[in-house]
Amino acid sequence: GAGVSQSPRYKVAKRGQDVALRCDPISGHVSLFWYQQALGQGPEFLTYFQNEAQLDKSGLPSDRFFAERPEGSVSTLKIQRTQQEDSAVYLCASSSSSGWGGEKLFFGSGTQLSVL
Amino acid sequence: KQEVTQIPAALSVPEGENLVLNCSFTDSAIYNLQWFRQDPGKGLTSLLLIQSSQREQTSGRLNASLDKSSGRSTLYIAASQPGDSATYLCAVRLVDSNYQLIWGAGTKLIIKP
Repeated sequence: GAGVSQSPRYKVAKRGQDVALRCDPISGHVSLFWYQQALGQGPEFLTYFQNEAQLDKSGLPSDRFFAERPEGSVSTLKIQRTQQEDSAVYLCASSSSSGWGGEKLFFGSGTQLSVL
Repeated sequence: KQEVTQIPAALSVPEGENLVLNCSFTDSAIYNLQWFRQDPGKGLTSLLLIQSSQREQTSGRLNASLDKSSGRSTLYIAASQPGDSATYLCAVRLVDSNYQLIWGAGTKLIIKP
């Protein structure tokens, strides 16, 4: 595709529900990142994939958060038993390089998650 | 622990003015620093990347400088236009990381026509 695509654009969940957020990176991009951005704050790193391998998941806030990229392209971020503090914008970014040596990072428009 | 701070949190100026946005970081051991722009409801767009060995980068009306020793970077916007209204974020890549970025909270810029 022309850019990084994320869906849904908005998601409202009741506390305790499970949600799945999708990221479709630019075709051929090796690296994929997930970030969480709270209102008025900069993005916080969640996890990093190089192709299908999840090389770093140190930023995932709890074991309720799970990410996968089984075929090295589309990625899904799943949040189980959502809580109000999970409300944020979830951003996906991709890069053509392995790791990020200064090459451009392309961001999707994000999924705004609201947990009621 | 690396911390990145952007002051002010918000800035409103009349169209046509030149302005400077500030970014400071606590640990000078950075690999590079990047400035991004974020429009409401949209993702981030990379504006300028400065490697640690560089002092500045320019793109059109934008100029970013880096002073590693003092832990500061500035983004200079010349002849501001209403279309420049957005939130501007800086992010540093750590020396010992292949991909980790540490982000500032951003400066929300409003250019008044």
